Amino acid sequence: TQLLEQSPQFLSIQEGENLTVYCNSSSVFSSLQWYRQEPGEGPVLLVTVVTGGEVKKLKRLTFQFGDARKDSSLHITAAQPGDTGLYLCAGGTGFQKLVFGTGTRLLVSP
Amino acid sequence: GAGVSQTPSNKVTEKGKYVELRCDPISGHTALYWYRQSLGQGPEFLIYFQGTGAADDSGLPNDRFFAVRPEGSVSTLKIQRTERGDSAVYLCASSASGTGSDTQYFGPGTRLTVL
Repeated sequence: TQLLEQSPQFLSIQEGENLTVYCNSSSVFSSLQWYRQEPGEGPVLLVTVVTGGEVKKLKRLTFQFGDARKDSSLHITAAQPGDTGLYLCAGGTGFQKLVFGTGTRLLVSP
Repeated sequence: GAGVSQTPSNKVTEKGKYVELRCDPISGHTALYWYRQSLGQGPEFLIYFQGTGAADDSGLPNDRFFAVRPEGSVSTLKIQRTERGDSAVYLCASSASGTGSDTQYFGPGTRLTVL
């Protein structure tokens, strides 16, 4: 069974702080996706990384895929209240069945 | 254009009852997925359709769960003899073809509560 563990589970920070969320597995994935989910809504895709060692930047968000394609990280610079939400990583072996991580709930206070 | 829609948004039922959850995918998307998300957890894969056929139903927890997509568009997830442990948010997603680098677009989910 493929499992993705995220850490931390909860993160409460002040506006302007930096943070990193980790997503780890003992399994190799062909791709790793990061989603953000807000209450009452479905997950929304932020980024997909497919190459070991790949780094992608989306404004204040930086995503990295581990060299062995077993882990990933999401770094947010100068967090804003609008970044509040549930962050989910998801591994794929062909984009047909996603294995989601346990989730990291982020609260950014003004 | 319209995204993935799911009805009802909330469903409360009693233990032992039968429920149907509906998913309307994005028009033209051939692939459709069902996931279940328990409180405080990430979504868990249930079943994947390519067109009308279930290409992978390995995530269905037992034979009380069944899903159909008779015309390759709308899908219905059916749960028989509901149990309290079935309470969760049921998410539907669709993608253009289900292959390559397709993005899965999620609906808002149906919150099922079994009393």
